[in-house]
Amino acid sequence: EPEVTQTPSHQVTQMGQEVILRCVPISNHLYFYWYRQILGQKVEFLVSFYNNEISEKSEIFDDQFSVERPDGSNFTLKIRSTKLEDSAMYFCASSRRTGSPLHFGNGTRLTVT
Amino acid sequence: AQTVTQSQPEMSVQEAETVTLSCTYDTSESDYYLFWYKQPPSRQMILVIRQEAYKQQNATENRFSVNFQKAAKSFSLKISDSQLGDAAMYFCALSTGANSKLTFGKGITLSVRP
Repeated sequence: EPEVTQTPSHQVTQMGQEVILRCVPISNHLYFYWYRQILGQKVEFLVSFYNNEISEKSEIFDDQFSVERPDGSNFTLKIRSTKLEDSAMYFCASSRRTGSPLHFGNGTRLTVT
Repeated sequence: AQTVTQSQPEMSVQEAETVTLSCTYDTSESDYYLFWYKQPPSRQMILVIRQEAYKQQNATENRFSVNFQKAAKSFSLKISDSQLGDAAMYFCALSTGANSKLTFGKGITLSVRP
């Protein structure tokens, strides 16, 4: 069964550094998302992406964050200058159409030191 | 704004018994979808079951079924014949709008006693 893949599985970075989290959504899916989960807490929506542009973003998704679909298969989340509080699990997800279940990747655990 | 409430932080069930996990939600949308996701210790997010709001019939997937009460905005998950592998965090989630953005509850940790 097709799946969403995320790399790396774990990223350690120093405060103030830029990180890029990568995702390959399922190939015939049209909607893409990033979520984050601070350890032991709820899963929070960051941003949704459709038709090559951001369709919705949350308050968390400030100017430090950006997303890109550079080549029609990858979907990336960039954090420009990481803060300690950005440490979390970041999940990429994709879905085929409105109302379809979201399929999640295995997540990237980001640790900011 | 959409909200999802899971008021029980944790529950425990004996292996082979049945357990029900509660969830309530709020939305002003008339067209929406509800989901339960399972998150085992590996932190993967695994779809358990999906319910369309326009369908009166409760969704069922093998040992998993829901009790969808639209008027009460309640969406509980029943796990029958609980197995050790069912131990995980369970999230209730609501999908609305053209983006199908998911709003999650806080989750409930389910433990299964052998």
